[in-house]
Amino acid sequence: GAVVSQHPSWVICKSGTSVKIECRSLDFQATTMFWYRQFPKQSLMLMATSNEGSKATYEQGVEKDKFLINHASLTLSTLTVTSAHPEDSSFYICSASGENTGELFFGEGSRLTVL
Amino acid sequence: GNSVTQMEGPVTLSEEAFLTINCTYTATGYPSLFWYVQYPGEGLQLLLKATKADDKGSNKGFEATYRKETTSFHLEKGSVQVSDSAVYFCALSALTNAGKSTFGDGTTLTVKP
Repeated sequence: GAVVSQHPSWVICKSGTSVKIECRSLDFQATTMFWYRQFPKQSLMLMATSNEGSKATYEQGVEKDKFLINHASLTLSTLTVTSAHPEDSSFYICSASGENTGELFFGEGSRLTVL
Repeated sequence: GNSVTQMEGPVTLSEEAFLTINCTYTATGYPSLFWYVQYPGEGLQLLLKATKADDKGSNKGFEATYRKETTSFHLEKGSVQVSDSAVYFCALSALTNAGKSTFGDGTTLTVKP
């Protein structure tokens, strides 16, 4: 099946710094990717929809200036957490949708810890 | 709008026990239905899917049947193993929703030897 890879799988940073997480579709072209945040023992919270070549669509309550999303190519979307704070610590997951099937292919997730 | 309601967890079973995790949905149109599994510290992966009414998805001994009349997609397995311990998410995807999927809250399954 299709493969989506996320990098890094875990990152620790100091408060105030910015962190970039990459999401790549390895064997298919993904015009749409999704970014989620998951708190411990909770479900996925959709943050934004990343569209290749256009601006991301953010869900209500998600700060677009805080969570910068860039989808510059059909195989790469990036999420940058700017000026990170401890409350941004979380598990971030990306996914890409298969064509016309609705099935989602998920990355391995990236655990961010902000000190 | 679309929604997915999943059986609340956590669920704890002994090895070889029968598993049912209930899932019901509300959606406009004819959504596709999915079960995803998340092992500790990992992302989600597709377990099984069904794209139309009466379809049965199956994988690794797990099954779920798309029941339009009851708007349900319950997950079952006849004999669970310790390695099945994970979080299970029911989800739907509708073409009317720009490719977004709607997820249930997840059910944590722990299987004890």
